[in-house]
Amino acid sequence: EAGVAQSPRYKIIEKRQSVAFWCNPISGHATLYWYQQILGQGPKLLIQFQNNGVVDDSQLPKDRFSAERLKGVDSTLKIQPAKLEDSAVYLCASSLVRDRGRAANYGYTFGSGTRLTVV
Amino acid sequence: RKEVEQDPGPFNVPEGATVAFNCTYSNSASQSFFWYRQDCRKEPKLLMSVYSSGNEDGRFTAQLNRASQYISLLIRDSKLSDSATYLCAVNPGNSGYSTLTFGKGTMLLVSP
Repeated sequence: EAGVAQSPRYKIIEKRQSVAFWCNPISGHATLYWYQQILGQGPKLLIQFQNNGVVDDSQLPKDRFSAERLKGVDSTLKIQPAKLEDSAVYLCASSLVRDRGRAANYGYTFGSGTRLTVV
Repeated sequence: RKEVEQDPGPFNVPEGATVAFNCTYSNSASQSFFWYRQDCRKEPKLLMSVYSSGNEDGRFTAQLNRASQYISLLIRDSKLSDSATYLCAVNPGNSGYSTLTFGKGTMLLVSP
């Protein structure tokens, strides 16, 4: 089974520039998550999609971050404009969910992440 | 109190030792619990789920204590390859969906 694919692996940008990350989840996984992991911290949820709808974006800094999953498969996460504190690893994960509350029993599968450095 | 708390460590142990980590959670309605392993500069990988009855997988044993709101991970006969950061993850249970909240992780260093 192919895993969660993410690109690019690394990105270095200057502050105030924009950047986009791409994620392709495991085939058949309806739920997709974007997490931000700052060095020394645990992953922090940014946004969760169920198919192409947003389930939870309460921790997404909406003034600069946006995400979409137009066809319920691939997803992109964008930052515009970037700040120094956005330097982190951006992890995409997917899980197999069909009913409320059941997916957690399966855990997530993470992609290898995109390491963003803002200078 | 933070939602999910872990001792960051590092825990330095010799090969063959037994080591245990705890993770506390604040929401008593939390439904699901997991341990993830994260190697340096890699993504987290699911190590094991934590069931109410406990869960054992080879040298690894996970326990849940709902009364005291913590989960634990016990590693027996530590190997050098066990060196990693161990993240606990909890479904807070307040959204009805599968969102996991992660702790900051506990670093384990196993030495020869």
